[in-house]
Amino acid sequence: EAQVTQNPRYLITVTGKKLTVTCSQNMNHEYMSWYRQDPGLGLRQIYYSMNVEATDKGDVPEGYKVSRKEKRNFPLILESPSPNQTSLYFCASSLQGPPDTQYFGPGTRLTVL
Amino acid sequence: AQSVAQPEDQVNVAEGNPLTVKCTYSVSGNPYLFWYVQYPNRGLQFLLKYITGDNLVKGSYGFEAEFNKSQTSFHLKKPSALVSDSALYFCAVRDTGGTYKYIFGTGTRLKVLA
Repeated sequence: EAQVTQNPRYLITVTGKKLTVTCSQNMNHEYMSWYRQDPGLGLRQIYYSMNVEATDKGDVPEGYKVSRKEKRNFPLILESPSPNQTSLYFCASSLQGPPDTQYFGPGTRLTVL
Repeated sequence: AQSVAQPEDQVNVAEGNPLTVKCTYSVSGNPYLFWYVQYPNRGLQFLLKYITGDNLVKGSYGFEAEFNKSQTSFHLKKPSALVSDSALYFCAVRDTGGTYKYIFGTGTRLKVLA
């Protein structure tokens, strides 16, 4: 089944403890992206990647890192999480970049205490 | 700055009535416009998109949207709402400033009342 998977789905952590949220797609997509969803703010793009070893900032990259060493994986790294990074995170992928349709993962709900 | 606006936080409509969810955009050049839907506790699903050509775009689940360049709008419509259409709807636009970013609106919650 074609899908985007994220792990973990739920995570509660403490300020400053490094964490990684994994994202994987099995559709051989070139474009992958991370978003955060916050009430009243909608979805905001954190980082995107057009291909392996090609990543670029979205609108809210501060406090996040990404890497794209393989086409299928696009992990999101929070090196020193803070409470303002408490959010619902979505990974998405598309065959190429815009305007190709994005396929979204199920989301990761992160709470930073 | 490039942006997308969804002026209504919530839209209520009776089942069987037509629905409209509004979206306006501000980008330079020709926009790529999208609608996505999010059902409770789910990721977003693609509904439809406008790239070029016919201003009326038809999408999944009986939804359609009309691209209006003069009003910079891309409103989502459906002739007859179903209770199962109740969800959170997002409008999005591709950034035209030389990047491959997307800009999403704040979302509109659609509630279809039986």
